[in-house]
Amino acid sequence: GAGVSQSPSNKVTEKGKDVELRCDPISGHTALYWYRQSLGQGLEFLIYFQGNSAPDKSGLPSDRFSAERTGGSVSTLTIQRTQQEDSAVYLCASSLATSGSYEQYFGPGTRLTVT
Amino acid sequence: GQSLEQPSEVTAVEGAIVQINCTYQTSGFYGLSWYQQHDGGAPTFLSYNALDGLEETGRFSSFLSRSDSYGYLLLQELQMKDSASYFCAVRSGNTPLVFGKGTRLSVIA
Repeated sequence: GAGVSQSPSNKVTEKGKDVELRCDPISGHTALYWYRQSLGQGLEFLIYFQGNSAPDKSGLPSDRFSAERTGGSVSTLTIQRTQQEDSAVYLCASSLATSGSYEQYFGPGTRLTVT
Repeated sequence: GQSLEQPSEVTAVEGAIVQINCTYQTSGFYGLSWYQQHDGGAPTFLSYNALDGLEETGRFSSFLSRSDSYGYLLLQELQMKDSASYFCAVRSGNTPLVFGKGTRLSVIA
């Protein structure tokens, strides 16, 4: 079946602009996660959604970052007033449930470059 | 909070065996996962240990000692394609998964 997909694959934007990143999880996966990975670094947790529960936003670095998940499926990560330090690869992952979070399936990521 | 420690880089010879260690500090520990990530690629799940002991999956094995807050990933019969970054990750408390900074494995001929 289809894996996790993300769009766009690459995004170049000017400092101060808003960007939206999209994630389509694997069908049937109720948990969805967003991470940020800077070059050569580990994965920084941003936010996760589990079913219809309120999302855990504890990893969002600032109030310029927000995310939503519509209909328990597609998710959008929005970064407002982008800064150069926001440049990174943004990875989305999904799993069967939070209890299955040990096995996450990752999308190919969106490489964001803020100029 | 949680913290994980793993070596930043490891180099090994093709055909050899390499062990990548991971120590962690966390509360409400559930288990230790390992992921592989090739340059420019997405992380892919390798293994998960919830109980003490060794789990084997082909050339890869993973070990956990809960009492020592320690685990390792063992790669046997190394191949060039195993050159990648390897991340340990813990599931604890209300946090679904926290990743280490990764170990970059270089396999040389």
